[in-house]
Amino acid sequence: KAGVTQTPRYLIKTRGQQVTLSCSPISGHRSVSWYQQTPGQGLQFLFEYFSETQRNKGNFPGRFSGRQFSNSRSEMNVSTLELGDSALYLCASSSRTGRDSPLHFGNGTRLTVT
Amino acid sequence: SQQGEEDPQALSIQEGENATMNCSYKTSINNLQWYRQNSGRGLVHLILIRSNEREKHSGRLRVTLDTSKKSSSLLITASRAADTASYFCGETSGSRLTFGEGTQLTVNP
Repeated sequence: KAGVTQTPRYLIKTRGQQVTLSCSPISGHRSVSWYQQTPGQGLQFLFEYFSETQRNKGNFPGRFSGRQFSNSRSEMNVSTLELGDSALYLCASSSRTGRDSPLHFGNGTRLTVT
Repeated sequence: SQQGEEDPQALSIQEGENATMNCSYKTSINNLQWYRQNSGRGLVHLILIRSNEREKHSGRLRVTLDTSKKSSSLLITASRAADTASYFCGETSGSRLTFGEGTQLTVNP
């Protein structure tokens, strides 16, 4: 089975712009979670989607949003980018919601905001 | 904010030695999971231990869980240079998996 695929791998944006990141989960996985990883804050949970519905949301401002499509692929969007949004954004899929099954992570999208 | 804390933050050992990393958490958990992350890559799942389990093994990995102390430890035996990575514990409470800050393990050849 192919693993979790995240595109693009690297992204450079300017303050005030918006960005969309994409995640294709493992085939058959219906749960997709997003995490932000920074040196100062570590791994922070953004949100989780299951069968196109947002099931969980972390403590991030409304500039961070996401969605999931019927084929389980997910996108996250960050609007009005700030310098502090520079981070590695990780997507993870699992076979079911609830955290009784392990997460399978992609290699992330490295976002740099200048 | 992070729920759990790993200890130590960094660990440097020689190949062949054992490495022990500890994780403390604050909430009542459903399970606790350990992950490894190589630099600039995604996390890789290592072991999931449920709240009613006390110990679990997988190859050279041994995980213990003490719910009375809200702590877990990961032991890597006979370490190899390829074990160099960051190790994270993730606590599951409800349907959310929350990670600690991680332990950076360096295994010197």
